[in-house]
Amino acid sequence: AQSVSQHNHHVILSEAASLELGCNYSYGGTVNLFWYVQYPGQHLQLLLKYFSGDPLVKGIKGFEAEFIKSKFSFNLRKPSVQWSDTAEYFCAVKVAAGNKLTFGGGTRVLVKP
Amino acid sequence: DGGITQSPKYLFRKEGQNVTLSCEQNLNHDAMYWYRQDPGQGLRLIYYSQIVNDFQKGDIAEGYSVSREKKESFPLTVTSAQKNPTAFYLCASSLGDSYNEQFFGPGTRLTVL
Repeated sequence: AQSVSQHNHHVILSEAASLELGCNYSYGGTVNLFWYVQYPGQHLQLLLKYFSGDPLVKGIKGFEAEFIKSKFSFNLRKPSVQWSDTAEYFCAVKVAAGNKLTFGGGTRVLVKP
Repeated sequence: DGGITQSPKYLFRKEGQNVTLSCEQNLNHDAMYWYRQDPGQGLRLIYYSQIVNDFQKGDIAEGYSVSREKKESFPLTVTSAQKNPTAFYLCASSLGDSYNEQFFGPGTRLTVL
């Protein structure tokens, strides 16, 4: 069974700082990759997804992620965060052609104004 | 408005009682899912259903049961056999084919006293 690791449980940074959240998965086959975000008091929502093609994926709100197959990684980045990016971020992996998502443990990000 | 509704938002039950959590979607999605969210553990799949009248166990199905009698509804029963039922429960749905993301409901926070 696949597993997903998010290296940082908590990240605190100031506005305008750059953000990078790590995500590694363990599965040797073809995967689909996702980043979800949960803002305080809101539904879990999709930030971006990778199925195939360009390994650099752009999502909503200025986020992007890069799939590096050789490193089994799908790290999330944002060059300049805002206070409104305070949220919990989840990486998720799905075996291609399947429907089951496996989530990482989540990273809580606090952006100080 | 299309979406996923879960009720109630907060639920309190005494130990030893079964409790059923509601999940309804009007997105015409074939697949529905139940997750449990615990701090630091991300989301873990309890049960999922890819089509009406069919469902499969996820990673942590023990102590839970589901039914899928209608396309739009996927209720979850937390039974007295679940050893640690206090948690945040999230329902999700997707179109069911491999190339679509899951959409999440607002969640139900269950506290067993």
